[in-house]
Amino acid sequence: DADVTQTPRNRITKTGKRIMLECSQTKGHDRMYWYRQDPGLGLRLIYYSFDVKDINKGEISDGYSVSRQAQAKFSLSLESAIPNQTALYFCATSAPGQGVNEQFFGPGTRLTVL
Amino acid sequence: SQQGEEDPQALSIQEGENATMNCSYKTSINNLQWYRQNSGRGLVHLILIRSNEREKHSGRLRVTLDTSKKSSSLLITASRAADTASYFCATGLSGGSNYKLTFGKGTLLTVNP
Repeated sequence: DADVTQTPRNRITKTGKRIMLECSQTKGHDRMYWYRQDPGLGLRLIYYSFDVKDINKGEISDGYSVSRQAQAKFSLSLESAIPNQTALYFCATSAPGQGVNEQFFGPGTRLTVL
Repeated sequence: SQQGEEDPQALSIQEGENATMNCSYKTSINNLQWYRQNSGRGLVHLILIRSNEREKHSGRLRVTLDTSKKSSSLLITASRAADTASYFCATGLSGGSNYKLTFGKGTLLTVNP
């Protein structure tokens, strides 16, 4: 079984709809991250969390919100989706420790906003 | 803006040749990591090099780090068609409680059989 899973894998929605992307992990990691990837670009950090009570904004948090329901679960919400949020979304985890450790990525969610 | 920038943006080689990709960054780092992404899939960690290290090897991969030039290179030796993927460098900044990575835009490597 995959260590980091994301649901759904693909989603097509309409402008103005509320969307939730879910991430679950079985690695026992405290640190979890949400990124988006646009064609030809690298990954940009949306939000990150270092434990259940910790939520931090990343580089591009506007239009997004997150919830860390448990150590293993980290959800990303788009309250009112817009077309420029069409992208590939990745969840990642990493183990605690000094500095930035190796990150483990989920398979991604391809979101299309019409 | 992106902390890391890869060069070249795209690279096409024949099987058996070596592939070299470069990454430049702007600020002091704690470590630098390289990831691979097969088309549309999740990123896979390849190697991590710390700021006090100059070179690291893992199988057919060799990574160098020059902190004075704020640059790193990834060398893949004896490339295979299965190495076709996008390769990203990611920097972990030094200082404070910086526990996040900043990714570059990637190099698309195509290895032709």
